[in-house]
Amino acid sequence: SAVISQKPSRDICQRGTSLTIQCQVDSQVTMMFWYRQQPGQSLTLIATANQGSEATYESGFVIDKFPISRPNLTFSTLTVSNMSPEDSSIYLCSVDQGPAFEQYFGPGTRLTVT
Amino acid sequence: GESVGLHLPTLSVQEGDNSIINCAYSNSASDYFIWYKQESGKGPQFIIDIRSNMDKRQGQRVTVLLNKTVKHLSLQIAATQPGDSAVYFCAENIGGTSYGKLTFGQGTILTVHP
Repeated sequence: SAVISQKPSRDICQRGTSLTIQCQVDSQVTMMFWYRQQPGQSLTLIATANQGSEATYESGFVIDKFPISRPNLTFSTLTVSNMSPEDSSIYLCSVDQGPAFEQYFGPGTRLTVT
Repeated sequence: GESVGLHLPTLSVQEGDNSIINCAYSNSASDYFIWYKQESGKGPQFIIDIRSNMDKRQGQRVTVLLNKTVKHLSLQIAATQPGDSAVYFCAENIGGTSYGKLTFGQGTILTVHP
C-alpha cells in the first residue's frame, strides 16, 4: 500500500485564521480524498481531489471554507479557512489504490481552534 | 493520543476470545465494503474488504460477513489480542459516479483485557 504523510501532525490555531494541511504520497495516485473526523465521531468525506480538475465537494462543505489544491499525482493540500472552534477535528487524506476501491489513509492532522 | 471513542458503542472481551463487531449499512445500492481499525492518534488502517457479490471473506484472523437482505456487515476477529484494542469502522461505497467515496459507520470501540 502507499505510504501517506501529512503535515502538520497537529496544530493549535486561533479563530479567524487559516491553516493549510499537506498530504504527500510516495506513489502516483489518481484520486485523493479529504475527510474530517470530529471529536468522538466517525469520518465524513469533505471532497475528492483529482489532478487537473477542480475538487468536488460533498454536501455541507464549500470551496470557500475548504479550498483544495492538487498540483500533481502525489500531493494535495486542504486549507481550513476563517477557523472557528467548531472546526476542531482530525483532518485525514486518503488515496485510492486501484480498481478494488481500496483506500488507505494518512495519519491525520489534529487541529484545535481556540 | 487523542480519543475518538467518546460517543461510540463499546465491546469488551478477554484475550483469546473471538470478537464480533457489527455494522448496519444504509444504502442498498452499496456494492463494496471495507473494515478499518483506528488506534488512538492514528489514521484508519485497512483490515479487509468485501464486494456485494460475496457473503463471506476471510483474512488473517479476520472474517467479514455480508448479509445484503438486512443490510448488515460483521467483522469477526479470532483469538483476540490486546493489540486488537482500537476503534473499528465499517465503510460502504456505491461505485459508479461515486467511485471511491466512502460512507463510514459510527464505529465500535473494542477493548481486549489481558
